[in-house]
Amino acid sequence: DQQVKQNSPSLSVQEGRISILNCDYTNSMFDYFLWYKKYPAEGPTFLISISSIKDKNEDGRFTVFLNKSAKHLSLHIVPSQPGDSAVYFCAVYTSGTYKYIFGTGTRLKVLA
Amino acid sequence: NAGVTQTPKFQVLKTGQSMTLQCAQDMNHEYMSWYRQDPGMGLRLIHYSVGAGITDQGEVPNGYNVSRSTTEDFPLRLLSAAPSQTSVYFCASRDNGELFFGEGSRLTVL
Repeated sequence: DQQVKQNSPSLSVQEGRISILNCDYTNSMFDYFLWYKKYPAEGPTFLISISSIKDKNEDGRFTVFLNKSAKHLSLHIVPSQPGDSAVYFCAVYTSGTYKYIFGTGTRLKVLA
Repeated sequence: NAGVTQTPKFQVLKTGQSMTLQCAQDMNHEYMSWYRQDPGMGLRLIHYSVGAGITDQGEVPNGYNVSRSTTEDFPLRLLSAAPSQTSVYFCASRDNGELFFGEGSRLTVL
């Protein structure tokens, strides 16, 4: 039973527009949420994170939103750029534990 | 700034063979972990370690052994490789809640 779901395997967006990637989780004990970006033949790289005490965190073009009641996490990229084309993974964990759980990933393609 | 280094990058094994995937980090991170990435499955935790001499199982530990004799190194051992272990393996260390990944090791078991 998947505890973390990214229901959209792929997403295409025009350059300059907003990209919205979604992630749903099942366990309300999770209190730290992260997004990773992965290019082919490379390891995932950290993008942005948010703790459960916040509902929004921004870093430049990237914003993560957390809706705890809906157990839903989203990543907004605006404006989208061709270099953002990659696979994006959400990850969750519970403070005091050491097990991160990753979603299955969403492949974003930004069209020039 | 090496970060997390994995070797080898590619390996082909026959069923039943053994091998060790190496992972080293130079950031003095206490926490290290191994993941495997399979199509449609995301990243799944195999084993992790919170410090030298301490290891624990993740989500998919069967068929894999680990040890942690130093802070820097966290090797992953396959004692008798099976085709189901064909995957891309990532090692990661952690600092402040954030995972730092190596570039990955692609393993094919025939």
